[in-house]
Amino acid sequence: DAKTTQPPSMDCAEGRAANLPCNHSTISGNEYVYWYRQIHSQGPQYIIHGLKNNETNEMASLIITEDRKSSTLILPHATLRDTAVYYCIVRVAWDTNAGKSTFGDGTTLTVKP
Amino acid sequence: DAGITQSPRHKVTETGTPVTLRCHQTENHRYMYWYRQDPGHGLRLIHYSYGVKDTDKGEVSDGYSVSRSKTEDFLLTLESATSSQTSVYFCAIKGRGSPGETQYFGPGTRLLVL
Repeated sequence: DAKTTQPPSMDCAEGRAANLPCNHSTISGNEYVYWYRQIHSQGPQYIIHGLKNNETNEMASLIITEDRKSSTLILPHATLRDTAVYYCIVRVAWDTNAGKSTFGDGTTLTVKP
Repeated sequence: DAGITQSPRHKVTETGTPVTLRCHQTENHRYMYWYRQDPGHGLRLIHYSYGVKDTDKGEVSDGYSVSRSKTEDFLLTLESATSSQTSVYFCAIKGRGSPGETQYFGPGTRLLVL
């Protein structure tokens, strides 16, 4: 699975858009980009994933660059409840070794009033 | 929510005692996983299962065993608990269907080995 690089921490004002970057320069053609978040003491929560195209759901938008070497998770109107650690993960979807899914240190997003 | 529960949610035990953690799912998913989470190490895979009686090791499997006798339950056993196994343990299942199927996590079990 490709390695990812994320900034360790970011701040965002409540009501503003939070843009969380992720670099994955060694991504392979069959690897997806997944985003999860973990609010203190809870299990990781799936947010969104994509392969090539930009994706949007009720939680967030995912922008993947054309060369797929980086991506940005966008929370359009951050609230205090979005304060969490955000993980960017790159892995193969149908990997026969289905378990390998490394969560690194992620980005700690703090939303401030 | 993917219908995943873990039990117990908290446990304190002594070094050398056996401990079994249970993960239960209601969604009939084929793949189930056990992770541990420790400061500075992120989430690390212990074992996973790809069907009843089908399991494989993850990256930190030493000292742990698993069993899956039915689809809905995945058990993690510490045969002889050590202090280094103090951690938060998360179970996960993998959704089915579309390509890029993702993982959904349970609420976690906090284990303290004294």
